[in-house]
Amino acid sequence: DAKTTQPNSMESNEEEPVHLPCNHSTISGTDYIHWYRQLPSQGPEYVIHGLTSNVNNRMASLAIAEDRKSSTLILHRATLRDAAVYYCILRDSGAGSYQLTFGKGTKLSVIP
Amino acid sequence: DVKVTQSSRYLVKRTGEKVFLECVQDMDHENMFWYRQDPGLGLRLIYFSYDVKMKEKGDIPEGYSVSREKKERFSLILESASTNQTSMYLCASSPPPQGTRYEQYFGPGTRLTVT
Repeated sequence: DAKTTQPNSMESNEEEPVHLPCNHSTISGTDYIHWYRQLPSQGPEYVIHGLTSNVNNRMASLAIAEDRKSSTLILHRATLRDAAVYYCILRDSGAGSYQLTFGKGTKLSVIP
Repeated sequence: DVKVTQSSRYLVKRTGEKVFLECVQDMDHENMFWYRQDPGLGLRLIYFSYDVKMKEKGDIPEGYSVSREKKERFSLILESASTNQTSMYLCASSPPPQGTRYEQYFGPGTRLTVT
């Protein structure tokens, strides 16, 4: 799996937007960008995914750079319940693999 | 909702004991996974299974084995527990990709302490 690089930690004030960056300079054409998050004392959960175009869902937005070498997960209004570790993962859709490689992620702290 | 359950949230075992960690999913998923999570190391894949009686080694299979006799159940076995196997163990299941979306569903984890 191609490698991703994320900051170890970030802080945000409650009710403000949060932009979580991810670098993936060796991404290939068949790699999908997935984001998962892990709330305290829980297993990871899916957040969003994309290939080339920006994506929105009820949880977050995903902005993908034109060259696809980086992406940003956007939480539009951070709440205390968004405090979690966020993982950026590349999945090769062409390889037929169902494995996901989790890095260390970014620990997001939300300040009341 | 998909539900992945793990037999215990907390477990304490002694060095040398045989340990079974059980995972059950209720969504008829073909794929199941066992990870361990340690501070500073993230999640690492131990074993996974694509079908009943099928198993594949992940990144760190040493010291572990698995069993999948039924589709809904995937067991992780520590034949002789050691202190370096003290960790959080997470089980996950997944269907095949749904279009472009591929989602693994995780259980709550079992925190195993080996003394």
